[in-house]
Amino acid sequence: AQSVTQPDIHITVSEGASLELRCNYSYGATPYLFWYVQSPGQGLQLLLKYFSGDTLVQGIKGFEAEFKRSQSSFNLRKPSVHWSDAAEYFCAVGANFGNEKLTFGTGTRLTIIP
Amino acid sequence: NAGVTQTPKFRVLKTGQSMTLLCAQDMNHEYMYWYRQDPGMGLRLIHYSVGEGTTAKGEVPDGYNVSRLKKQNFLLGLESAAPSQTSVYFCASISESTYEQYFGPGTRLTVT
Repeated sequence: AQSVTQPDIHITVSEGASLELRCNYSYGATPYLFWYVQSPGQGLQLLLKYFSGDTLVQGIKGFEAEFKRSQSSFNLRKPSVHWSDAAEYFCAVGANFGNEKLTFGTGTRLTIIP
Repeated sequence: NAGVTQTPKFRVLKTGQSMTLLCAQDMNHEYMYWYRQDPGMGLRLIHYSVGEGTTAKGEVPDGYNVSRLKKQNFLLGLESAAPSQTSVYFCASISESTYEQYFGPGTRLTVT
């Protein structure tokens, strides 16, 4: 069965600093990987996704993520965070395009300090 | 184009009461999902549907029932609510072309 681990429950970053959120997955074949963001009281919004091809994927709001098969990781990065990036971030994995059930990680809450 | 909408946004139930949560999408998606979100546990799949008239169990289906009588609607029912069902419930549908899940704004349910 597929699984996702987000080892950091809460991260605090200064505005303007760089950010990296960690995501490790478990799945036998090539997974479909996603990062979602959830602002307080809101639903989830897709930031980016990886299906195949270039292992560095660009998303919305200046985020990027890199798929590393050897490390079973799909870490999310941003070079310079803004106060509006404060939210909860979820990594998710899907088995294949025909299996649309996503498994979500437990989330990382990001706090931005001025 | 409203995307995915959920009704109601908030609800308080007493133990043993029943209710139905409505999810509607106007994107003509085949696949729809119900998740619950609890602190520290991420999103867990309750039930899902791969098309009108079909439903299937997810990770945590006990205590819930669903129906998909129309393609655009996916209903989640609680026949006899329990305090353990206090949670935020999210509905989602998926685009078969982009594989992106679109989420509703959520329903906050409290069972006392």
